[in-house]
Amino acid sequence: QQQVKQSPQSLIVQKGGISIINCAYENTAFDYFPWYQQFPGKGPALLIAIRPDVSEKKEGRFTISFNKSAKQFSLHIMDSQPGDSATYFCAASMLGDYKLSFGAGTTVTVRA
Amino acid sequence: ETGVTQTPRHLVMGMTNKKSLKCEQHLGHNAMYWYKQSAKKPLELMFVYNFKEQTENNSVPSRFSPECPNSSHLFLHLHTLQPEDSALYLCASSQQEGDYGYTFGSGTRLTVV
Repeated sequence: QQQVKQSPQSLIVQKGGISIINCAYENTAFDYFPWYQQFPGKGPALLIAIRPDVSEKKEGRFTISFNKSAKQFSLHIMDSQPGDSATYFCAASMLGDYKLSFGAGTTVTVRA
Repeated sequence: ETGVTQTPRHLVMGMTNKKSLKCEQHLGHNAMYWYKQSAKKPLELMFVYNFKEQTENNSVPSRFSPECPNSSHLFLHLHTLQPEDSALYLCASSQQEGDYGYTFGSGTRLTVV
């Protein structure tokens, strides 16, 4: 049973556009929500993460929005660039449990 | 390199072969993981080691045998694999406490023929 549901499975965006990936979870004990970026032939790399005490976190062109009441969080990629083309995974873990539960991944293609 | 090194990067093996995948980290992390990544499927957790002790075996067939001799090294021993075992095998490590971010290796691309 997948604890974190991610959508869409893939998306195509024009250069300069906004990419939005959504994730939903059921376990209210989750307290850490990272996003990973994976390029072909590489392992996933931590991109940005958020804890539920804040509703938004921004790092450069990447923003996580967090809605605790809806148990949803999303990744926004502003001014998308061809170099952002990759697969993105959301994940979640809970205090005292270091294991991450991953979403299924979203393949983002940025067209020049 | 990300701090987690996996070897070999690519491996082709026959169904009757025995081979091993190696993972090494010098980040001072306590926990190490094996994941299987197949095309168009979610990351599948296979094994978890915490302070060298196996804490999780996610119903993995016995043809996959993990070994963790110390906190820095993790192996995955393979024998009599099936073609459907062809995938990218990822190793990751993390701290048990504090931020729970994983550091992944680049993976071993395994092809079973």
